[in-house]
Amino acid sequence: QQPVQSPQAVILREGEDAVINCSSSKALYSVHWYRQKHGEAPVFLMILLKGGEQKGHEKISASFNEKKQQSSLYLTASQLSYSGTYFCGTEVGNTGKLIFGQGTTLQVKP
Amino acid sequence: NAGVTQTPKFQVLKTGQSMTLQCAQDMNHEYMSWYRQDPGMGLRLIHYSVGAGITDQGEVPNGYNVSRSTTEDFPLRLLSAAPSQTSVYFCATLSNYGYTFGSGTRLTVV
Repeated sequence: QQPVQSPQAVILREGEDAVINCSSSKALYSVHWYRQKHGEAPVFLMILLKGGEQKGHEKISASFNEKKQQSSLYLTASQLSYSGTYFCGTEVGNTGKLIFGQGTTLQVKP
Repeated sequence: NAGVTQTPKFQVLKTGQSMTLQCAQDMNHEYMSWYRQDPGMGLRLIHYSVGAGITDQGEVPNGYNVSRSTTEDFPLRLLSAAPSQTSVYFCATLSNYGYTFGSGTRLTVV
């Protein structure tokens, strides 16, 4: 079942912060976060594993609430380069089967 | 080290024609997946594989076949193309640091 992302769209000024949420109705093994710019392939940002392990880029942070099956991506001091569509992907069990949410479009303005 | 290579980049098919989208990786990753992305929508999983000889269905498998005879290659076959299969197709491989996506194949069925 597809995870649900919120909000659907965000508009920020440079330097502002944003939070993107992802929730699932199923018990999760991992949550992934990706960013996609227009006309390009998605690019990996972060993976959060059941048990608290995180792997990803230094400037991106995220949380994973295992009890609520929810994850949040935190974008601080946003830059113009942060613009794009952010997708969360959820994995039920260590299967490699990743189901993506519908995406959150982030626009950062000067 | 080319990563994930998809061919062709663009393709136009007539309704009823068949074709194979190619995907090759040189990272020796076991997990591979095929996704389709329609305008303004997220990524939907078509088929995935956890290793050579092992494949399974994703969210939208109808009209598509896959096989995985080697670790490196994971071709996607369209059996009888339909206009509803017009989309951008992404192949991806999974490592400990998330999925790496190919650059995509833009398919139009007329």
